[in-house]
Amino acid sequence: GIQVEQSPPDLILQEGANSTLRCNFSDSVNNLQWFHQNPWGQLINLFYIPSGTKQNGRLSATTVATERYSLLYISSSQTTDSGVYFCAVADGGVWTTSGTYKYIFGTGTRLKVLA
Amino acid sequence: DARVTQTPRHKVTEMGQEVTMRCQPILGHNTVFWYRQTMMQGLELLAYFRNRAPLDDSGMPKDRFSAEMPDATLATLKIQPSEPRDSAVYFCASGLARGDRGQGSRGEKLFFGSGTQLSVL
Repeated sequence: GIQVEQSPPDLILQEGANSTLRCNFSDSVNNLQWFHQNPWGQLINLFYIPSGTKQNGRLSATTVATERYSLLYISSSQTTDSGVYFCAVADGGVWTTSGTYKYIFGTGTRLKVLA
Repeated sequence: DARVTQTPRHKVTEMGQEVTMRCQPILGHNTVFWYRQTMMQGLELLAYFRNRAPLDDSGMPKDRFSAEMPDATLATLKIQPSEPRDSAVYFCASGLARGDRGQGSRGEKLFFGSGTQLSVL
């Protein structure tokens, strides 16, 4: 099955700093999403981004599907950005109307932003 | 705001007891996923449904776990009998599956519930 690796595993930032999180995957994908799990355990969907670039406020994401990686950028980090960031990919099988995809999660990047 | 609702939020039980976890997907979503999260294994896919039909449950221990969708507004995950190694957070997620969205993107955007934290003593 498809392998998903995230780096770095842990990251500590001072408030206001920028950071880049990486997600590498081992095969072609039909779908890639980024999630933030906050300290209370809630998983929030940040981006649905199988290819290209998207921005949402201080966060942006880029997926280069042909090179099998995605990047999540956090600018001007805040303490509320703390938590674990996951990418999830759906393998690149042939789409059928009766089919769906297994979304495989990476092991995450644990981010702590210090005040 | 539309949200995925999971109950109960916390469950403490003794080994051997039956545990039932419930999930109400977002109205209109046609795909439901069950995930289990542990420190050691991370987020593992247990089962998923499209239009209430089970598509894959290969991630579940078949002898003790079962997942069903009695109707479009309810998904259940049962463990019988429960064991201490089942202690974890169980998440339900829903999405609206569509065909080709263009740019090679397919599938659904996932929305997660708050999870059920299960402790089996």
